[in-house]
Amino acid sequence: QAGLTQPPSVSKGLRQTATLTCTGNSNNVGNQGAAWLQQHQGHPPKLLSYRNNNRPSGISDRLSASRSGNTASLTITGLQPEDEADYYCLAWDSSLSAWVFGGGTKLTVL
Amino acid sequence: QLQLQESGPGLVKPSETLSLTCTVSGGSLSISIYHWGWIRQPPGKGLEWIGSMDYSGRAYDSPSLKSRVTISVDTSKSQFSLQLSSVTAADTAVYYCARLDGTGFYGIDYWGQGTLVTVSS
Repeated sequence: QAGLTQPPSVSKGLRQTATLTCTGNSNNVGNQGAAWLQQHQGHPPKLLSYRNNNRPSGISDRLSASRSGNTASLTITGLQPEDEADYYCLAWDSSLSAWVFGGGTKLTVL
Repeated sequence: QLQLQESGPGLVKPSETLSLTCTVSGGSLSISIYHWGWIRQPPGKGLEWIGSMDYSGRAYDSPSLKSRVTISVDTSKSQFSLQLSSVTAADTAVYYCARLDGTGFYGIDYWGQGTLVTVSS
C-alpha cells in the first residue's frame, strides 16, 4: 500500500528545535490531515497530535504540528534527551479506505 | 482508563494461521466513533496497519494483507481478534492491538503493549 514519506533520521542539539516532515497526497494528508506518534525503544507508540495540531492531554506544549498542502510537520522546541525517539506520521487514506503510516524518523538529540 | 492487552502464541509455524486476541478493559467496544484494530512492527522496522473493525462488524483491511486477514469483534467479551493465514517469516513482528478513530481525523489513541510473534518451524 502507498505509505507516507518521512526522512529516516534527524539530528539536533540539546535545546534546539527540530522539525519533522511527512509527505502524502490529496487523498490522505491533504484531505484528512495527519496524526503524529512517538515511540521509544521497546514501548508501544504514543499519540502526540491529531488532525494536524491538536494535542491529547498531557502532551508537552513544546510540540506543535501543522500542515501545508500534502505535507504535515511536527516541530519540537527546546529539545530534551527524552525527545530522542522514533516519530511516525499517520493518516487515513480516503481512496484506499485504509490507514497509512510514514516510514518513521529517528530523532537524535546530540 | 482504557487498557488493551494482546494474548496469543508467540511462535507460529510457516503456512499456519496466526491468531491473537485483544482484551479491552475500562471502556466499551460499542462506541460507534471508534474502530478496533491491529498494527504490526517487524523487528527494527516501521509500523504497518493490518486492519480494523467497528463494533457492528464493518471491516477495513490493508490492501496488501486483505486476502489473509480476518478481524472479529465480540462486544460481550470486550475482545477483538486477529487471524492472519498462510504466514511466512516475513510476518514475524510485534503485533499491537489498538483503538482507532472511526472518522479518520483523530489517529490511534490507545495501544496495547504489543506481543512478539515469531514465524519459524
